[in-house]
Amino acid sequence: SSELTQDPAVSVALGQTVRITCQGDSLRSYYANWYQQKPGQAPVLVMYGQNKRPSGITDRFFGSSSGNTASLTITGAQSEDEADYYCNSRDNSGYHYVFGTGTKVTVL
Amino acid sequence: QVQLVQSGAEVKKTGASVKVSCKTSGYIFTSYGINWVRQAPGQGLEWMGWISAYSDNTKYAEKFQVRVTMTTDTSTSTAYMELRSLRSDDTAVYYCARDSVGASELDYWGQGTLVTVSS
Repeated sequence: SSELTQDPAVSVALGQTVRITCQGDSLRSYYANWYQQKPGQAPVLVMYGQNKRPSGITDRFFGSSSGNTASLTITGAQSEDEADYYCNSRDNSGYHYVFGTGTKVTVL
Repeated sequence: QVQLVQSGAEVKKTGASVKVSCKTSGYIFTSYGINWVRQAPGQGLEWMGWISAYSDNTKYAEKFQVRVTMTTDTSTSTAYMELRSLRSDDTAVYYCARDSVGASELDYWGQGTLVTVSS
């Protein structure tokens, strides 16, 4: 198995830009996907593959990757972006999935 | 529209088993896989395993290998997850989530099922 590490919490001023990172060895071989989870709700896919957004997801979200690190950038942060964000990918074997430790984003 | 609707909350005794269902609609059930993910109170997401709705092939996280069984019923487009020998630290919300063949993203999720384990 492998681990995906995220910063526990970040904050961003309203209208500013914030980047959330996800680090792990398996990211050298596999893309990361990103999920947004608000309190009491199921996670929602917001970014997958190489910077692909599911239908209905704001274009203020941008995905990128370099080496063992994947990033989700939120531009022009809004109050509705305040949530927990999780990355996920395949593990080193490629047969199992793993989730990141999660990042709580606070919009000030 | 794609929907995954899970069964209701469960309260179980330590050592018992629980079986959670995930009834799907709005897509061809056998063209996708179903993952099970859990989230303990105040904690992060934990992947438990995956089942192909086409072949019933399964892959389980090593942590759950001995205690979990995932199955499907193609006649009702429903997936099931059974967890045995429950412990207090199995108290969590259990989610089912769909993935595409060859893809790793979980694009649709069920609403979650709270399983509470107590002695």
